[in-house]
Amino acid sequence: DGGITQSPKYLFRKEGQNVTLSCEQNLNHDAMYWYRQDPGQGLRLIYYSQIVNDFQKGDIAEGYSVSREKKESFPLTVTSAQKNPTAFYLCASSPAQGQQSYEQYFGPGTRLTVT
Amino acid sequence: DAKTTQPTSMDCAEGRAANLPCNHSTISGNEYVYWYRQIHSQGPQYIIHGLKNNETNEMASLIITEDRKSSTLILPHATLRDTAVYYCIVRVWARQNFVFGPGTRLSVLP
Repeated sequence: DGGITQSPKYLFRKEGQNVTLSCEQNLNHDAMYWYRQDPGQGLRLIYYSQIVNDFQKGDIAEGYSVSREKKESFPLTVTSAQKNPTAFYLCASSPAQGQQSYEQYFGPGTRLTVT
Repeated sequence: DAKTTQPTSMDCAEGRAANLPCNHSTISGNEYVYWYRQIHSQGPQYIIHGLKNNETNEMASLIITEDRKSSTLILPHATLRDTAVYYCIVRVWARQNFVFGPGTRLSVLP
């Protein structure tokens, strides 16, 4: 089946530790995205990547880092510099920019709890 | 991107049509209207999108007013599994991300 996988579904960490969230897609999409969602709110963009070895900051990139070494993978690291890391993290992908309209496909999400 | 306004919540009886409104009075000519939904603790699911014409697919219909300042998502025969938060997004086609507001929480009642 084609789709986006995120692992793990639930993640618990102690404050001060870095943690990496996995995102893999087999849709052959060029673009990938990371969003954060807090309770009762919409999604906010953290980082996005349009092509391998290139990525850009979104609206709330501080305290996060990403890499895009392979087309299929876009891991997100939540660093100890992120002041409020507890949230629901969503990865998405879409076909290459340049198409007139396209939708983003989302993974199932990872719920991170930092105590 | 144009700002959208949606009701906070709505109820719908099972088997009836669910009509979810969205206002986007500042929409520009090249901005598409997208609808997504999010069932609790899952990733958002794409439903439908359109530019000017009404659209229909296996999930829903999208009705866009002639002036494009508002739209309505129609689920023709709502089921309990359609209970979710529905997001209306107006997006320039070249923009890199979708801006999700708080959406409408639809409750389908038995």
